[in-house]
Amino acid sequence: NAGVTQTPKFQVLKTGQSMTLQCAQDMNHEYMSWYRQDPGMGLRLIHYSVGAGITDQGEVPNGYNVSRSTTEDFPLRLLSAAPSQTSVYFCASSYSGIAKNIQYFGAGTRLSVL
Amino acid sequence: AQSVTQPDIHITVSEGASLELRCNYSYGATPYLFWYVQSPGQGLQLLLKYFSGDTLVQGIKGFEAEFKRSQSSFNLRKPSVHWSDAAEYFCAVGRGSGGGADGLTFGKGTHLIIQP
Repeated sequence: NAGVTQTPKFQVLKTGQSMTLQCAQDMNHEYMSWYRQDPGMGLRLIHYSVGAGITDQGEVPNGYNVSRSTTEDFPLRLLSAAPSQTSVYFCASSYSGIAKNIQYFGAGTRLSVL
Repeated sequence: AQSVTQPDIHITVSEGASLELRCNYSYGATPYLFWYVQSPGQGLQLLLKYFSGDTLVQGIKGFEAEFKRSQSSFNLRKPSVHWSDAAEYFCAVGRGSGGGADGLTFGKGTHLIIQP
């Protein structure tokens, strides 16, 4: 059982380049989220999805796009990377319903924008 | 908007000593509260959660936390720490009515150092 898989693990971009961070889960979870982690800031929610075709903004959505065409995948797109987007990115997934709610986190993608 | 405050950025504890990590939250309704642990270079692991009911919740690895509504606190405790407990600890509150499934607001974390 793979859980939440994030690719790549590491990435270096130049300012202005675009890229997609991949996130896939094999637990048939309805909810998926993206967070970024910066030193001394904890984790901050970027975007989240409550099911295929439904996404919403979190705390820090600017500069990021998401879509959810399948239950399994929730890619995060950087259209024009900026140095301020240097961070560690975590994807998480969860069942809906309070009684079953445990968020499972991926291992993270470390992104550097030069 | 909800918020989480972890007042201690770093805490140093001797191995075998007791531990308490502080967490204060701001949330308008009944909060859904979580503690996560992150070892260096790793993802996050859920230690415990509080949704309702008994205000003292037990988690994995011997941790427990107590929800105190009057103090807006959800402090994490462990009676005797082990060197393997050295890590970053995050308190979090669910953002909406989804119990946290629709996103969490995290505190900035407490870095726990274990002295031999």
